[in-house]
Amino acid sequence: DAGVTQSPTHLIKTRGQHVTLRCSPISGHKSVSWYQQVLGQGPQFIFQYYEKEERGRGNFPDRFSARQFPNYSSELNVNALLLGDSALYLCASSHRVEGNQPQHFGDGTRLSIL
Amino acid sequence: GENVEQHPSTLSVQEGDSAVIKCTYSDSASNYFPWYKQELGKRPQLIIDIRSNVGEKKDQRIAVTLNKTAKHFSLHITETQPEDSAVYFCAAIPTGAGSYQLTFGKGTKLSVIP
Repeated sequence: DAGVTQSPTHLIKTRGQHVTLRCSPISGHKSVSWYQQVLGQGPQFIFQYYEKEERGRGNFPDRFSARQFPNYSSELNVNALLLGDSALYLCASSHRVEGNQPQHFGDGTRLSIL
Repeated sequence: GENVEQHPSTLSVQEGDSAVIKCTYSDSASNYFPWYKQELGKRPQLIIDIRSNVGEKKDQRIAVTLNKTAKHFSLHITETQPEDSAVYFCAAIPTGAGSYQLTFGKGTKLSVIP
């Protein structure tokens, strides 16, 4: 079975631009979470979606938004990009919404802001 | 919210020796503690997890112990091999509000010297 897939793998943008990152969860998984990983740090939680509804939001500005589609895939959108948004963006999926379920990560999208 | 501290930040061991990484958490209601291994440029990979109703769990050369009273948990790797070299992250998930988001430690870079 395919794992969590993310696209694109790499992306270069300039300040002020907008970006959309995509994630397809493991087949049968209905929960998708997004994390930001800055170099040398652990991943930081951005959003969780379950059954197309936002179930949680981390401490990120309103420039960050996300949605989940009927097929459980998800998009993360970031507006008005800042240099500090440069990071690896990871998507994780799990079977259910409860937090004590294993979350499996994709390879991530490496976003570089110039 | 939950806060996870991880030590040490770097760890070097000789091949064949054991490695221990320790984490403490702040929310006594946390009930799920996964460990992830992240090789350079790759996704975080779930290697073992433990729930709060269990004190210890083993999987071949890897074991995790949990002390709920002291609010700390540890990863033990025995008979280390060069392929164990990676960054290891501990994480915790609380119950109740925020029970969907993993809170990660800052990571431990393990180097196994042949």
